[in-house]
Amino acid sequence: AQKITQTQPGMFVQEKEAVTLDCTYDTSDQSYGLFWYKQPSSGEMIFLIYQGSYDEQNATEGRYSLNFQKARKSANLVISASQLGDSAMYFCAMREGGTGGFKTIFGAGTRLFVKA
Amino acid sequence: ETGVTQTPRHLVMGMTNKKSLKCEQHLGHNAMYWYKQSAKKPLELMFVYSLEERVENNSVPSRFSPECPNSSHLFLHLHTLQPEDSALYLCASSQSVGGGYNEQFFGPGTRLTVL
Repeated sequence: AQKITQTQPGMFVQEKEAVTLDCTYDTSDQSYGLFWYKQPSSGEMIFLIYQGSYDEQNATEGRYSLNFQKARKSANLVISASQLGDSAMYFCAMREGGTGGFKTIFGAGTRLFVKA
Repeated sequence: ETGVTQTPRHLVMGMTNKKSLKCEQHLGHNAMYWYKQSAKKPLELMFVYSLEERVENNSVPSRFSPECPNSSHLFLHLHTLQPEDSALYLCASSQSVGGGYNEQFFGPGTRLTVL
């Protein structure tokens, strides 16, 4: 079963506007972590933001915020004031607690295109 | 040197060749990972090492052989590969393999093409 689902293969956004990238996850663990990574065309995966399952506040890092809705098992990434340099692949990932804690499971990714 | 480095960045090899990918982390981390990223597929975890001990082999064919001589270096030895093994191979490291918050830092990857 798919543990991380990103339903948007590609997204377009106008420069300076906000965009939401969707991510839903599936786990029976109570303790888990959710991550978003950015992968530019150069290939390197760049860590953006983290949300712990017990965190009550939504995580924010600069222009990135994570809209965490635990009951719906969703962890959407919101990028505010998009910039041309935000064009890249974005991956949602989950690390479960317990014995599987070293496995980070990635979604299929969403390619974001920022238009000038 | 900063972060996680990988060499070579690009590699083209025949099916009968033997080559090795190298990864080095300069972050003082104890865990290192190999991932395979194929076109249109999610990132696939291949191997996990914690303090130079392999803790995960995610059903990877034996033509891929990892080696972790110390906590800063990780190798992936390749032999008799198939064209479907062509992919971007990413190395990552983290402070430990424990669950919860353990951000992974990735290298730039090696783009492998098997002819």
